[in-house]
Amino acid sequence: GAGVSQSPSNKVTEKGKDVELRCDPISGHTALYWYRQSLGQGLEFLIYFQGNSAPDKSGLPSDRFSAERTGGSVSTLTIQRTQQEDSAVYLCASSLGQAQETQYFGPGTRLLVL
Amino acid sequence: AQSVAQPEDQVNVAEGNPLTVKCTYSVSGNPYLFWYVQYPNRGLQFLLKYITGDNLVKGSYGFEAEFNKSQTSFHLKKPSALVSDSALYFCAVRGGHTGRRALTFGSGTRLQVQP
Repeated sequence: GAGVSQSPSNKVTEKGKDVELRCDPISGHTALYWYRQSLGQGLEFLIYFQGNSAPDKSGLPSDRFSAERTGGSVSTLTIQRTQQEDSAVYLCASSLGQAQETQYFGPGTRLLVL
Repeated sequence: AQSVAQPEDQVNVAEGNPLTVKCTYSVSGNPYLFWYVQYPNRGLQFLLKYITGDNLVKGSYGFEAEFNKSQTSFHLKKPSALVSDSALYFCAVRGGHTGRRALTFGSGTRLQVQP
């Protein structure tokens, strides 16, 4: 079946602009995760959604970052007033709801802030 | 807090030789351990995981990993390396059933298999 998809695959923006990144999880997966991969920081957790529960936002680096998940499926990660240090690859993953389930990753969105 | 250490930035091995990519972890309670592989400009691909049971876990593409509780290690192995195995490998951990759901990743190890 279809895997996790993300759009756009690449995004170039100017410092100070807002960006939206989209993730379509695997159908039937109730858990959705956002991670960020950057040269200096490696792979970092950002935010986690599980069903109708309140999201775990403990990894968001600043209040410029927010995410929502509509209808328990598609998720959008929004970065306001982008900074150059936001340049990274943003990865989305999804899994079935149980704790031991594997997280399957999308191809990522490469964000470059000029 | 949970953490993962991958002590080698790069591992070089000749094709046909066995390979090992090292990983040690720290987590409260029983760990759930994962290995992922990343090819250039691609997302992470799942290789294998340890949840419970047999300490030797077999995964995709002939890879296996051994969970060692006393050494808090989960090294990735393959008996005979292929040039196509050259990629970036990540070890990840999360606390067991009641731990934080997000994965904590190691810094990654680049595997280079020479023909």
